[in-house]
Amino acid sequence: EPEVTQTPSHQVTQMGQEVILRCVPISNHLYFYWYRQILGQKVEFLVSFYNNEISEKSEIFDDQFSVERPDGSNFTLKIRSTKLEDSAMYFCASSEGLAGVKETQYFGPGTRLLVL
Amino acid sequence: LAKTTQPISMDSYEGQEVNITCSHNNIATNDYITWYQQFPSQGPRFIIQGYKTKVTNEVASLFIPADRKSSTLSLPRVSLSDTAVYYCLVWNYGGSQGNLIFGKGTKLSVKP
Repeated sequence: EPEVTQTPSHQVTQMGQEVILRCVPISNHLYFYWYRQILGQKVEFLVSFYNNEISEKSEIFDDQFSVERPDGSNFTLKIRSTKLEDSAMYFCASSEGLAGVKETQYFGPGTRLLVL
Repeated sequence: LAKTTQPISMDSYEGQEVNITCSHNNIATNDYITWYQQFPSQGPRFIIQGYKTKVTNEVASLFIPADRKSSTLSLPRVSLSDTAVYYCLVWNYGGSQGNLIFGKGTKLSVKP
């Protein structure tokens, strides 16, 4: 069964450093998403991406965040200057998005980011 | 977006059927009801989705009454591995809003 993969599984960084989280969505999917979950809290939407541009973003997704699809398979989330409060589990998801219609989202295993 | 209300936690024993009910009084005509499961330190996993009446797959059943103001996820004969958080979500299929809004979910604990 096709699945979303994410690397790395864990990332430790110093406050102020840049991090890039990587995701490989399911190959025939057209919509991509990033969510985060701070320990013990709800899963929160960050951004969705379709047709090589941001489709929607939440208030959390400020100028410190950016997303990119650098090639035909990877989808990345960059945090330019990490803050302590960015420590969380970051989940990538993808959906088929046929004809622009959003469908079931399939989540990856997550990257646990710890900012010290 | 319709708000959902579900119990914070539920306990069950192995082999029992578990029913988790979710209220969504303000559901709109174009909204679908979907359920996700999340194990600790893992991403949410899609379980089932429906619009009305009953939907069944190899994992669960989803019961939606005619007024669609609530739904019930039914897990037959649970095992210890079904211990997880279960999220009920309502979202607009095909609309401009594609992001999933997760609540706190129902933490199901299955005991031997």
